[in-house]
Amino acid sequence: EVQLVESGGGLVQPGASLKLSCVASGFTFSDYWMSWVRQTPGKTMEWIGDIKYDGSYTNYAPSLKNRFTISRDNAKSTLYLQMSNVRSEDTATYYCLGAGVYWGQGVMVTVSS
Amino acid sequence: DVVMTQTPLSLPISLGDQASFSCRSSQSLLHSNGNTYLAWYLQKSGLSPQILIYRISNRFSGVPDRFSGSGSGTDFTLKISRVEPEDLGVYYCLQHTHLPYTFGAGTKLELK
Repeated sequence: EVQLVESGGGLVQPGASLKLSCVASGFTFSDYWMSWVRQTPGKTMEWIGDIKYDGSYTNYAPSLKNRFTISRDNAKSTLYLQMSNVRSEDTATYYCLGAGVYWGQGVMVTVSS
Repeated sequence: DVVMTQTPLSLPISLGDQASFSCRSSQSLLHSNGNTYLAWYLQKSGLSPQILIYRISNRFSGVPDRFSGSGSGTDFTLKISRVEPEDLGVYYCLQHTHLPYTFGAGTKLELK
């Protein structure tokens, strides 16, 4: 059974940094592009970016490129999202997405002072 | 960015009826490799989205055949032949032809 389990969310202050993780199981992680997607409290879905199966290439939404970094560790079957200088508008549920098909359960990030 | 417009925002339906969802893109989703990267997802209340259809019309493994996708270029449709209770939720389309990839706002399928 495919599982993607995100962690690392919570309440953070504006301007802080946060790193989300997504541990994958049930499929060959190193064979697939992986993505991060977020859903705002108003239910808008926003694609954040993705990373090639070997970690050699990344794409980002232009509005987030300067503050968010996606990486992966294939030995640990883990995907990461490093968020820096967070803002209130980053408040959302963050999902990892495998091969455009498999979704994690999501992790909430709330940015507030 | 490619704008994905889904209509209607809400679709009240009776069980057993046919449901039809529209998704239109602001530019063609035909990739230079000949594929069109348009997918449909269903998000049930309180759960993560789940894949239904990829590349316009391909049902993912385990998706019932009452779901069908069609379209080309900028105009795409998802149909449910006979709505069942487990089909209720919000349907999103996603284009992953042009960077940055973009979602529609969703169509909520609910009981009349």
